[in-house]
Amino acid sequence: DAKTTQPPSMDCAEGRAANLPCNHSTISGNEYVYWYRQIHSQGPQYIIHGLKNNETNEMASLIITEDRKSSTLILPHATLRDTAVYYCIVVYRSGDMRFGAGTRLTVKP
Amino acid sequence: DAGVIQSPRHEVTEMGQEVTLRCKPISGHDYLFWYRQTMMRGLELLIYFNNNVPIDDSGMPEDRFSAKMPNASFSTLKIQPSEPRDSAVYFCASSFLAGVQETQYFGPGTRLLVL
Repeated sequence: DAKTTQPPSMDCAEGRAANLPCNHSTISGNEYVYWYRQIHSQGPQYIIHGLKNNETNEMASLIITEDRKSSTLILPHATLRDTAVYYCIVVYRSGDMRFGAGTRLTVKP
Repeated sequence: DAGVIQSPRHEVTEMGQEVTLRCKPISGHDYLFWYRQTMMRGLELLIYFNNNVPIDDSGMPEDRFSAKMPNASFSTLKIQPSEPRDSAVYFCASSFLAGVQETQYFGPGTRLLVL
């Protein structure tokens, strides 16, 4: 029972912003939106998370719509090293975290 | 901190053999998670511990799989007997509770091939 919907793949030009969408229309009021990414052969890496406010850190920005039914992860200046599978996860407690298929982002030179 | 440490990084074994995967979480983290990743099923949570106590093992596929956490700095995932369908990458992750939220930090994984 997937809680999120993501496009299976996206391309982005190097140096441009990568905007990765995620739909989570059944999100509950106390559930957070988490983003992880997995670069080939490595363990998943935490990127960012938020509840209802937009968040920004050194890696990315997270924009959550006012109704919280969708969000967008923004990598402001994508590099080749950002090529990875990006997972959007909706969860209250980390122990309930379930990874879906994610979006395979390919950054092209 | 060295991050989450897993060993071995690669394991090749024959069907029927016992396999033991090891994990050292980040110091101070009180949650530990075991995941399995395959092409067919993606990344699956197998079991997780809080303060060395198993909290949810509903993802453990069958009785051939067992996990222990004898202390805060060490956990094992054992498969006995192993089968070819157990071939996968096994990840360990750890986290600490900050408020009600925890961020999981993953290890590099153990690549298991059962022949």
